[in-house]
Amino acid sequence: RKEVEQDPGPFNVPEGATVAFNCTYSNSASQSFFWYRQDCRKEPKLLMSVYSSGNEDGRFTAQLNRASQYISLLIRDSKLSDSATYLCVWHGSGNTGKLIFGQGTTLQVKP
Amino acid sequence: DTGVSQDPRHKITKRGQNVTFRCDPISEHNRLYWYRQTLGQGPEFLTYFQNEAQLEKSRLLSDRFSAERPKGSFSTLEIQRTEQGDSAMYLCASRGKTGDGGKLFFGSGTQLSVL
Repeated sequence: RKEVEQDPGPFNVPEGATVAFNCTYSNSASQSFFWYRQDCRKEPKLLMSVYSSGNEDGRFTAQLNRASQYISLLIRDSKLSDSATYLCVWHGSGNTGKLIFGQGTTLQVKP
Repeated sequence: DTGVSQDPRHKITKRGQNVTFRCDPISEHNRLYWYRQTLGQGPEFLTYFQNEAQLEKSRLLSDRFSAERPKGSFSTLEIQRTEQGDSAMYLCASRGKTGDGGKLFFGSGTQLSVL
C-alpha cells in the first residue's frame, strides 16, 4: 500500500463551486501533514499546513482526521486560477525533514 | 533571484550516456533534497543532504545515481549509463532549520529525456 493515496481525478467543476479532496495515509505515526499546489509544468509550492484542529486560509480549509487516517482540503467559491494539481504531503520518518508526496489530485475549474 | 535554481532546465540524451544536473539552494538553507517526478505522479524522494553530508538515500536511487554536495552549498546529481526509464523531472529543494512549517522551496527542475 502506498504511504499516501489520493484520487488523481481530474475534478472538473464550474466556477463558484465547492470542491473537496481527501487523502489517506498509512503510517499512523505521521505527525505533520501539508497540502502543496503544483501548476502545470511548475514546481510544487506549499499551500497550507494541516492541523488536528483544522486550518482555514480564506477559501481553503484543511482538516486532519487521525482516527480514520485521512486529511482533506475544501475549496469554496472556486476560481479559474485554482486549476492545478493538489498534492497531499506528510513528513516522512526519521529526522531528515523529507516530505512524502501523494500522487496529486487534478482540479479543473471551468467558466 | 534568491530562490532555488537548477541547471539545465532540459536535457536530452541518448541511452547509455552520463548526465549531471546542478542545484543551487537558497544560500542560508543547510538542508537539500533531490526528488524525481514522472507524469501523473507526485515527487518521489531520492536523497537528502544536511550541509555536505548525505544522510539518506532512497532505495529508488540505484548505483547508477550519485549525488554530492561537496561544500555544503550547491549539489550535483549524476546519472551514469542512462536508461529510458530515467526520463523524468528531477527536482531539487532546500529547507532551512527546523520550525519552518514544512515548507520546502523547490527549483524549477531539470527535465530529462532519454532517447
